[in-house]
Amino acid sequence: EVVLTQSPGTLSLSPGESATLSCRASQTISNSYLAWYQQKRGQSPRLLMYGASSRANGIPDRFSGSGSGTDFTLTISRLEPEDFAVYYCQYYGETFGQGTRVEIK
Amino acid sequence: QLQLQESGPGLVKSSETLSLTCTVSGGPISSSTFHWGWIRQPPGKGLEWIGNIYYDGKTYYSQSLKSRVTISLDTSKKHFSLRLNSVTAADTAVYYCARLSTVQGHYYYYGMDVWGRGTTVTVSS
Repeated sequence: EVVLTQSPGTLSLSPGESATLSCRASQTISNSYLAWYQQKRGQSPRLLMYGASSRANGIPDRFSGSGSGTDFTLTISRLEPEDFAVYYCQYYGETFGQGTRVEIK
Repeated sequence: QLQLQESGPGLVKSSETLSLTCTVSGGPISSSTFHWGWIRQPPGKGLEWIGNIYYDGKTYYSQSLKSRVTISLDTSKKHFSLRLNSVTAADTAVYYCARLSTVQGHYYYYGMDVWGRGTTVTVSS
C-alpha cells in the first residue's frame, strides 16, 4: 500500500509570495495517478491537478505541479487571498496525504 | 453539470450500521470512464479514503476499513451507497461522495473531479 507524506504540515506565507508543497510517496509511483486537491474551511475538496502536472478545469495558471518517482511538488506562485487553504495529494484515486495548510503570515 | 448529493441518517448508534446514499444528477452514472468513491473527514482532521466502486462493479476498499465496508452501485436509481458496520465514535466524520474520472482501461486518472457537499455523521453511545 502506497503511503503519501506531505510536508511541511503548515506553511505561513504572505499574499504575493510563492508556496512550495511536497508530497512524497513510500514507493515509486506513476505520474498518471497523482492528483492534488484544495480544501477551504467548511467546503468540499476541489480538484486542482491530475497526472501530477495537468491543471483541472478552471484552475488558474499560478498553480503548477511537477515531480516523478517518489517526489512530487505543488507550486503556487503569487499567492492570492483565496489560495489560503489546505492542500492534499492523492494516489490512484485512493490514498491521501495528510495535508499541508497554507496560512496567512 | 453533474451533481452529487449525499443522504442518510446524521446520527448512528455505536455498534450499528452507517448507511449513506449518493445520488447522481445532471449526468451519466454508467460510463467506462466514471467511477464512484466515498471519502470521510473526522472533525479537525484530514481526508480519509474509504473505497471506490468502478463502472464494472469492482470495489476497492481502504485496508483499515475493509472488514466493515460495502459500497454498491444502482445504475437504475442513479445512486451508489456506503455501508459501514459496527461503528464507533471514531467513525464520526463528514462523509463525502465523489466521482473518479479515468480513461477507458484505467491507465490514466483524471482525479476526483466532482464532489458532493458532504454529510455529517455522528456516532453516539
